[in-house]
Amino acid sequence: DAGVIQSPRHEVTEMGQEVTLRCKPISGHNSLFWYRQTMMRGLELLIYFNNNVPIDDSGMPEDRFSAKMPNASFSTLKIQPSEPRDSAVYFCASSRNLGTTSTDTQYFGPGTRLTVL
Amino acid sequence: AQSVTQLGSHVSVSEGALVLLRCNYSSSVPPYLFWYVQYPNQGLQLLLKYTTGATLVKGINGFEAEFKKSETSFHLTKPSAHMSDAAEYFCAVSGISGTYKYIFGTGTRLKVLA
Repeated sequence: DAGVIQSPRHEVTEMGQEVTLRCKPISGHNSLFWYRQTMMRGLELLIYFNNNVPIDDSGMPEDRFSAKMPNASFSTLKIQPSEPRDSAVYFCASSRNLGTTSTDTQYFGPGTRLTVL
Repeated sequence: AQSVTQLGSHVSVSEGALVLLRCNYSSSVPPYLFWYVQYPNQGLQLLLKYTTGATLVKGINGFEAEFKKSETSFHLTKPSAHMSDAAEYFCAVSGISGTYKYIFGTGTRLKVLA
């Protein structure tokens, strides 16, 4: 089975440009998570969806960031306008959650390395 | 509130030596605990997890961890380090009712010396 798919794997853009990161979760998984990883701040949860509905976006740094999940097989994370401090590796993860707490494994994609010049 | 502390951001061991990576958690509810490994330029991969039942959990690549409620710990061990174990290791906790979030520790980078 294919794992979590992210595209692009690398993105280099200039400050002020719009950036869109894409994620395809594992088929059958109903939760999707977007993380950001930097040397300074480590691994941060930005937002997560359950059954395509955003549940917790408290980690989204500011209004420049937005995320959507139009269907169960696709999600986007958009940064507009991008800034150099947004440079990081962005991971998408998915899991299959039942009930009210998570014991199910989160499966991570390979990440998108974003560089904003 | 839940939190995770990983003692030692960098750990070095000799090849063949014991690997011990420490993780302590705080939680007001019974936690679910995870260890993930991240190899360079890759995503995180599950090593093992504790949900209920046996407190000694065996994972992939010869790793194991023991849930000790009295010590609020979930340390990761491997009897004999291999060069291929060099990576970053993350401990995580979940279990807050009504949320599927994990709380990750800050990570421990393991270096294996020849």
